[in-house]
Amino acid sequence: DSGVTQTPKHLITATGQRVTLRCSPRSGDLSVYWYQQSLDQGLQFLIHYYNGEERAKGNILERFSAQQFPDLHSELNLSSLELGDSALYFCASTRDGNYGYTFGSGTRLTVV
Amino acid sequence: DQQVKQNSPSLSVQEGRISILNCDYTNSMFDYFLWYKKYPAEGPTFLISISSIKDKNEDGRFTVFLNKSAKHLSLHIVPSQPGDSAVYFCAASALIGSGGGADGLTFGKGTHLIIQP
Repeated sequence: DSGVTQTPKHLITATGQRVTLRCSPRSGDLSVYWYQQSLDQGLQFLIHYYNGEERAKGNILERFSAQQFPDLHSELNLSSLELGDSALYFCASTRDGNYGYTFGSGTRLTVV
Repeated sequence: DQQVKQNSPSLSVQEGRISILNCDYTNSMFDYFLWYKKYPAEGPTFLISISSIKDKNEDGRFTVFLNKSAKHLSLHIVPSQPGDSAVYFCAASALIGSGGGADGLTFGKGTHLIIQP
């Protein structure tokens, strides 16, 4: 157990739907990063939150959004889902933005 | 446009021998490099990192070498053990240019290392 909890582990949904992925960071970590790993691809940086505020955006589609709550957990919202959104979604946390990232075990999203 | 490339999708090495995983990058702004290891159904775990001011960093059986002029880094595992069988990701960041890591990491596609008994 890495200390970073992601739920759900698996999610199957239909095209056009909306889903929410949840991440609870390791205790004491203020930064949460979201990454997407599509088939045979490396991890693509989506978005970074630090202590409730958005710090940086990567290759995140406009249909996707995220937030970090006062208790530091984060949610990634994916809407108007397309088949191509099927992927593993990872979150990672760090204490202060340095690279001792701790990753969760991911949420596998399948859009049918 | 892939800024971090791992050109070997897989690598098979005999137990006890040296495993060498390679990574090339194109962005000259990258100044911090990391290796992550990933087992199936788990998230990546941090292995070792190197700053661009160094050319070598060692941690136990793992050593990372950085050749800035060639924009190339490599991970050496000596000796290789069965538990090292996993997917290894190379990652990079322009640490100075991104406010200390705000912009996330750029990952390669990974190399599947298989340690044969």
